[in-house]
Order: sequence, then C-alpha cells, then structure tokens
Amino acid sequence: GENVEQHPSTLSVQEGDSAVIKCTYSDSASNYFPWYKQELGKGPQLIIDIRSNVGEKKDQRIAVTLNKTAKHFSLHITETQPEDSAVYFCAASQSGGSYIPTFGRGTSLIVHP
Amino acid sequence: NAGVTQTPKFRVLKTGQSMTLLCAQDMNHEYMYWYRQDPGMGLRLIHYSVGEGTTAKGEVPDGYNVSRLKKQNFLLGLESAAPSQTSVYFCASNVGYYEQYFGPGTRLTVT
Repeated sequence: GENVEQHPSTLSVQEGDSAVIKCTYSDSASNYFPWYKQELGKGPQLIIDIRSNVGEKKDQRIAVTLNKTAKHFSLHITETQPEDSAVYFCAASQSGGSYIPTFGRGTSLIVHP
Repeated sequence: NAGVTQTPKFRVLKTGQSMTLLCAQDMNHEYMYWYRQDPGMGLRLIHYSVGEGTTAKGEVPDGYNVSRLKKQNFLLGLESAAPSQTSVYFCASNVGYYEQYFGPGTRLTVT
C-alpha cells in the first residue's frame, strides 16, 4: 500500500519568513496530493491540492510543487503570519484505485510574531 | 448547508462501557470515513464506506464497528471501551477523488 512520509514534524519560523514542508510517497500510481490545515480544536481543512498532470500550483502566499520522478511534493508558505500557525497534513491518493487517501503524520508550524 | 457534523463533541466513558458516535453530511457524498487522531500519529483510518450499505476496514479497525444505513449518516460504535481508545475522532466525507470535508471532531476519554 501507499506510504507517505512528512518532514519536519515541527517547524518554527519568524513572522515574514518562508516555511517549507516536504512529503514523499511510495506508490507511483498516486495522482492526487492535497494539503490540509488543522487549527487548534478544529477538523482539518483543505488549503491547496495538486494533481499529477501539473508540477506547481499557487494560491496567494501558498504554493505546492510536485516531482513525480522523485515521488515527493512540498508545501511552500511565503510571508508567514501568526495565523498560519497550525498543524499541516499532506496526503496522497489515486483515481484508479479505491480513492482512500494516505496521510502524512503532520507538521506543527509555529510562527513567532 | 451544515457540511459534516459530529455528535457528541465530548464524551467520558468508563472502561467497558459502550457508545456510538454519529456523523452526518448534507453534501450527498458517497464516501465517508472515520479517523482517530493521537499526538504524533497523524490521522489514522478506522473504517470507511464507499456508499450506502457498505463498510470496509481501515488501518486501525480493532475494537470499533460501523454502519451506513443511510447515505448521509455514518455511525462509529465502541462495544467495550478501553483506555487505548482515548483519542479525538474525526469523520470526513467526499465524492472520492477529491478533497475530504472533515467534521469538528469528538474528544473521547476512557477512564
């Protein structure tokens, strides 16, 4: 089955800095890669996703890059703000299978004012 | 449009007691999931359903049962609660190959 590894487990940055979270996956058939943000006491919420037919996707201060050859994808947050502090999860799934996503273990991002 | 709702939000059980967690979605999604979240372990899939009347085991199904009698509801049951089942439980739904919508979670403590 699919295995998703996520690093780092904790990331501490100063406000205004950039933050990068990386995930690797094992199943080359995976073709959908979402990123979720979980604020304290809430359920995860999608912030951005990418499919395997593109290499990069941007939405304001957030971007995701995908390297299919190396089987890894990354979340980039620029100009971080205190409200970006949360736990971030990556996931991988495939359209040709049962669609069940496999999640990384999460990254706790702390943005210091 | 309430999205995904979970009942109850908090619960404390004694070892051996039973309970049912209810998940409801109003988005007509085929797929529904139950996860548990423990510190440092991420989201682990307990059971899932790909449609009304179907259920399947996930990564950590032992000690849990589920039912999907109606498309909009997915029930998670604990027949005999154990301290190891102390966790935060999340329900999610989607149409399959798209983003999941998560509920707000149920915090369960088993003493």
